[in-house]
Amino acid sequence: DGGITQSPKYLFRKEGQNVTLSCEQNLNHDAMYWYRQDPGQGLRLIYYSQIVNDFQKGDIAEGYSVSREKKESFPLTVTSAQKNPTAFYLCASSWRGQPNTEAFFGQGTRLTVV
Amino acid sequence: AQSVTQLGSHVSVSEGALVLLRCNYSSSVPPYLFWYVQYPNQGLQLLLKYTTGATLVKGINGFEAEFKKSETSFHLTKPSAHMSDAAEYFCAVSDLTGNQGGKLIFGQGTELSVKP
Repeated sequence: DGGITQSPKYLFRKEGQNVTLSCEQNLNHDAMYWYRQDPGQGLRLIYYSQIVNDFQKGDIAEGYSVSREKKESFPLTVTSAQKNPTAFYLCASSWRGQPNTEAFFGQGTRLTVV
Repeated sequence: AQSVTQLGSHVSVSEGALVLLRCNYSSSVPPYLFWYVQYPNQGLQLLLKYTTGATLVKGINGFEAEFKKSETSFHLTKPSAHMSDAAEYFCAVSDLTGNQGGKLIFGQGTELSVKP
């Protein structure tokens, strides 16, 4: 089955730690995205990538970093500089990143600071 | 700048009643509009989308939405609610500024409750 796989489903981070969220897709999509979801705020874009080895900041990139070394993979690192990382993180992809095509979403990773 | 506003963070209907979830957008260019549904602790699933052409768009699970340019609206409706429709619903518009890249701008979401 084609789709987007995020792991882990739940992640706990101690203060001062960096953690990495995994996102893999087998849809052969060019574009991939990371969104952050907080209650009552909808989804906000963290980073996106339209092609391998290239990515752009979204609206709330501070304290996050990404890489795109393979078409299938777009991992997100939440660094210690992110002051309020507790949230639900969603990875998505779309075919060629065209604005009239829908995004497909993974099942999400819930990150909690302990 | 483009934006999306969903009126009502929580909507409650009885089973069998009409579902109406409101979405208004702001865009200086013709928009591409989407409705997504999210079940608890899950990702988002596309219900329907409007790009061009027919303004009444039919989606999955009996939902439909009508694009009204004069009202800058894209409200989601379903004639008869089912218990399984209880979820959070997000309206979104494609970000057509700058690099575009298929980015989405989301509304705040509307949680739909269905009473038996």
